[in-house]
Amino acid sequence: GEDVEQSLFLSVREGDSSVINCTYTDSSSTYLYWYKQEPGAGLQLLTYIFSNMDMKQDQRLTVLLNKKDKHLSLRIADTQTGDSAIYFCACASGNTGKLIFGQGTTLQVKP
Amino acid sequence: DAGITQSPRHKVTETGTPVTLRCHQTENHRYMYWYRQDPGHGLRLIHYSYGVKDTDKGEVSDGYSVSRSKTEDFLLTLESATSSQTSVYFCAISDEGKPSYEQYFGPGTRLTVT
Repeated sequence: GEDVEQSLFLSVREGDSSVINCTYTDSSSTYLYWYKQEPGAGLQLLTYIFSNMDMKQDQRLTVLLNKKDKHLSLRIADTQTGDSAIYFCACASGNTGKLIFGQGTTLQVKP
Repeated sequence: DAGITQSPRHKVTETGTPVTLRCHQTENHRYMYWYRQDPGHGLRLIHYSYGVKDTDKGEVSDGYSVSRSKTEDFLLTLESATSSQTSVYFCAISDEGKPSYEQYFGPGTRLTVT
């Protein structure tokens, strides 16, 4: 079946940039998403990108998509302690609207 | 925040007992989903619904059933709970009017089967 892979852990210093990476196998994915999950909470949609775009910027967040390599990244500029959370990459499977999630990357921000 | 609530938020039950989790939305969205979250697996789709009385299986549907008799409610039932169903369960909704399929999540239900 389709698969989405993420590294499990990233640690950065407050004020640095964070880059969270994701690879996927479904070449027919139309939309790709980044979600954030804080402890004890549900998933919060951060941003998404359409598959015909290379980049999308939204304030401190930059999403880069390399469709040829099936690689998606999320860059958080000026990372703050409040950004500490688990970040999930997800892909819309074909045209069904069903999402395939990666395992999640835990971002630790050190003061 | 999308108007999604889940009940109960926490439940402890014994192996072999039936359990029903409820997802309620106030957004009038057509699509609703049930996921489970386990360490190392991210979120996995259990069942989803694309309208009242219209449901389909996800990747981990064994041992689960669902029902949707009203647009606003989507029920997940474990007919006979097992310890392997200890997990955090999330409901999500999405709007058919949006081609981006973005899903919005409820706060989750933590289920422990002893």
